[in-house]
Amino acid sequence: TQLLEQSPQFLSIQEGENLTVYCNSSSVFSSLQWYRQEPGEGPVLLVTVVTGGEVKKLKRLTFQFGDARKDSSLHITAAQPGDTGLYLCAGGGGADGLTFGKGTHLIIQP
Amino acid sequence: NAGVTQTPKFQVLKTGQSMTLQCAQDMNHNSMYWYRQDPGMGLRLIYYSASEGTTDKGEVPNGYNVSRLNKREFSLRLESAAPSQTSVYFCASRTGEKLFFGSGTQLSVL
Repeated sequence: TQLLEQSPQFLSIQEGENLTVYCNSSSVFSSLQWYRQEPGEGPVLLVTVVTGGEVKKLKRLTFQFGDARKDSSLHITAAQPGDTGLYLCAGGGGADGLTFGKGTHLIIQP
Repeated sequence: NAGVTQTPKFQVLKTGQSMTLQCAQDMNHNSMYWYRQDPGMGLRLIYYSASEGTTDKGEVPNGYNVSRLNKREFSLRLESAAPSQTSVYFCASRTGEKLFFGSGTQLSVL
């Protein structure tokens, strides 16, 4: 069973600050995905990283896939209240779907 | 664009009652999934269907049954609900490694 550990579990910061959250595993993944989930809704895909060392940017969000394809990070620059949510990493991709980490609960305070 | 539609949004059951959670997708995806989400446990796979006519157990299948009625619809049934099945249930469909989630069913079993 492939496990994904996310840290921190909870993070509360002020608007305008920068932050990084992590997704780590002892297993190699062919790809990793990041989802954001808002209260009362299902997760929504933000990005997929496929190549070791890959960096993808989505406005103020920067996603990196580790060289060994075992870990990933999400960095948010100048966080805004609209970034508040549960951030989930996921990997796998076989017929039985994805393995999800337990998530990072992020609160951006105005 | 409807995407993945789940019904009902909320449900309260008494121990021992039965119910069926409905899910339909309009994206012509072959694969569909049922997850449950619990605090501190993340998203856990209950059952999945890789294609019309096939279903397979996930990580936590006990107490549940599923039916892949056709390519669009994948239902989850609780035959005799237990308090341990109190959770938020998400249906998802898949294309490539991207999952599309419904907005969830919040189920309470008293």
